[in-house]
Amino acid sequence: EPEVTQTPSHQVTQMGQEVILRCVPISNHLYFYWYRQILGQKVEFLVSFYNNEISEKSEIFDDQFSVERPDGSNFTLKIRSTKLEDSAMYFCASSRRRGGLDEQFFGPGTRLTVL
Amino acid sequence: AQTVTQSQPEMSVQEAETVTLSCTYDTSENNYYLFWYKQPPSRQMILVIRQEAYKQQNATENRFSVNFQKAAKSFSLKISDSQLGDTAMYFCASLNYGGSQGNLIFGKGTKLSVKP
Repeated sequence: EPEVTQTPSHQVTQMGQEVILRCVPISNHLYFYWYRQILGQKVEFLVSFYNNEISEKSEIFDDQFSVERPDGSNFTLKIRSTKLEDSAMYFCASSRRRGGLDEQFFGPGTRLTVL
Repeated sequence: AQTVTQSQPEMSVQEAETVTLSCTYDTSENNYYLFWYKQPPSRQMILVIRQEAYKQQNATENRFSVNFQKAAKSFSLKISDSQLGDTAMYFCASLNYGGSQGNLIFGKGTKLSVKP
């Protein structure tokens, strides 16, 4: 059964460093999402992406964040200069169609630890 | 702003028994979807069940069913004949139908432990 994959499973970085989190969505899906979950808190929406551009983003998704689909299979989230408060689980998701019309399939997450 | 509240951080149930997880939400929209996602330990979130707000009939998926009370903005999940494999975090989520590209609004989750 096809699934969303994410690498790495755990990333440790120093404050101020750039990190790139990678996701491979399900191959026939057209909509891609990033969510994050700070330990003990809610899963929060960051950004959605369709047709090679951002469809929607939350207030969390500031200028330090960017997303890209560099090669037609990977979907990446870049944090340019990490802060301590960026430590969280980051989940990638994909769906065939928009929103609730189709299920969003989630990856296993990348745990980002900023020291 | 849309919010989803799960008031039970942790619950436990004996194998083969029934458990109900609570969820309330707040939205000003008329058209929306509600979901329950399951996240087993160290595994990805998977969709358990989905309810479209315009449908009055409660959704059912095998041992999982919901009690959707639109006026009360309540969306509880009932798990019948609980199995050890049901042990997981359960997240309630909502999504507005309409202009949004589909970002889910999640609750904080309920950690369910099924005991043998």
